[in-house]
Amino acid sequence: DAKTTQPNSMESNEEEPVHLPCNHSTISGTDYIHWYRQLPSQGPEYVIHGLTSNVNNRMASLAIAEDRKSSTLILHRATLRDAAVYYCILANYGQNFVFGPGTRLSVLP
Amino acid sequence: EPEVTQTPSHQVTQMGQEVILRCVPISNHLYFYWYRQILGQKVEFLVSFYNNEISEKSEIFDDQFSVERPDGSNFTLKIRSTKLEDSAMYFCASSDELRDSPLHFGNGTRLTVT
Repeated sequence: DAKTTQPNSMESNEEEPVHLPCNHSTISGTDYIHWYRQLPSQGPEYVIHGLTSNVNNRMASLAIAEDRKSSTLILHRATLRDAAVYYCILANYGQNFVFGPGTRLSVLP
Repeated sequence: EPEVTQTPSHQVTQMGQEVILRCVPISNHLYFYWYRQILGQKVEFLVSFYNNEISEKSEIFDDQFSVERPDGSNFTLKIRSTKLEDSAMYFCASSDELRDSPLHFGNGTRLTVT
């Protein structure tokens, strides 16, 4: 399984943007970059995914480096409800999603 | 928005007993998964299921575990003889057949083995 590296924890102030980094230097050309989050006492929740180009949806933006060896999940205005563990996962067709420890995001009021 | 539902939300059982955890995946999805998360630890893959058979399983998924899709809507995980170390949150997930399809997770069943 391809590996990702994320900081253990990050902190943000409410209503400020948050940039969550992920390194994946061994990514293959067909690996998709997925982001999930897990709120307390809930199952993982899909956030966003992409292959090469930057992606935007209603929850977040995903910025992918040109060499694809890193990516950044961007929450444009953090709210208290965004406090969660964020997982960056590489996945290829037919492969299973392997969760690492993720980044625990704390949002301060 | 369609969602994956799991029942029960909490199951307490005695060591050695059999438990069945139930999941209703999203209706047009074709791939089904079970994951577990021991308290304070990471989410671990157990098994994936497609076309009425297991696609892949982890080393955690030993002979005590089995999965079944008994009808067109349910997907179950059975643990034949529970052990204390089976206590965890069990998450069901499903996805459609698109190559980059994300997983949709349920909110889990908390299994407590006493």
